[in-house]
Amino acid sequence: DTGVSQDPRHKITKRGQNVTFRCDPISEHNRLYWYRQTLGQGPEFLTYFQNEAQLEKSRLLSDRFSAERPKGSFSTLEIQRTEQGDSAMYLCASRKNSNQPQHFGDGTRLSIL
Amino acid sequence: AQSVTQLDSQVPVFEEAPVELRCNYSSSVSVYLFWYVQYPNQGLQLLLKYLSGSTLVESINGFEAEFNKSQTSFHLRKPSVHISDTAEYFCAVSDRPIQGAQKLVFGQGTRLTINP
Repeated sequence: DTGVSQDPRHKITKRGQNVTFRCDPISEHNRLYWYRQTLGQGPEFLTYFQNEAQLEKSRLLSDRFSAERPKGSFSTLEIQRTEQGDSAMYLCASRKNSNQPQHFGDGTRLSIL
Repeated sequence: AQSVTQLDSQVPVFEEAPVELRCNYSSSVSVYLFWYVQYPNQGLQLLLKYLSGSTLVESINGFEAEFNKSQTSFHLRKPSVHISDTAEYFCAVSDRPIQGAQKLVFGQGTRLTINP
């Protein structure tokens, strides 16, 4: 069990640029979640995958955001035309089944200049 | 819809003193309850969880929480804190596994600061 891995840990970019984050869940965890955490707040749910299927999306996930999990293993979260308000910590979590808790990665901190 | 309220945004405590971090939730369905801890620049680590059974749950590092259904609360307690307990603590709820994502709904967090 190597834990949930996220890459990069930090990303600084200019407003209007596109960014992509990667999440590698714990092996054999078929359920994967993305959350966003802004400064001083608790994480907020963005989207959920079961295997390769994206089964739920939050209204926070605007059309500039897209997430994929093409082979049911790693996942990517892309933000197009970044805005100042996108600055946040993006957290990925995975779990094996519905009776197990979610395990979180260390997150990707996005800063928009 | 579910919501979680953590009643204290910051709790300063002296080392070896007891502490209680308060959490209340609102939900129209039965829930699972969790406490997560977050150290600076890190992700969240599960501290303890209530799924069913005994309403008092304990962690390996001395924390405990009690599920109170009538008061819809899940307060976190520790009888004697250490400097190393300084962190942000998040209470969270999720649906029970009937269907759906069982996404976590978090409170705003409580920053626990331990002073020597």
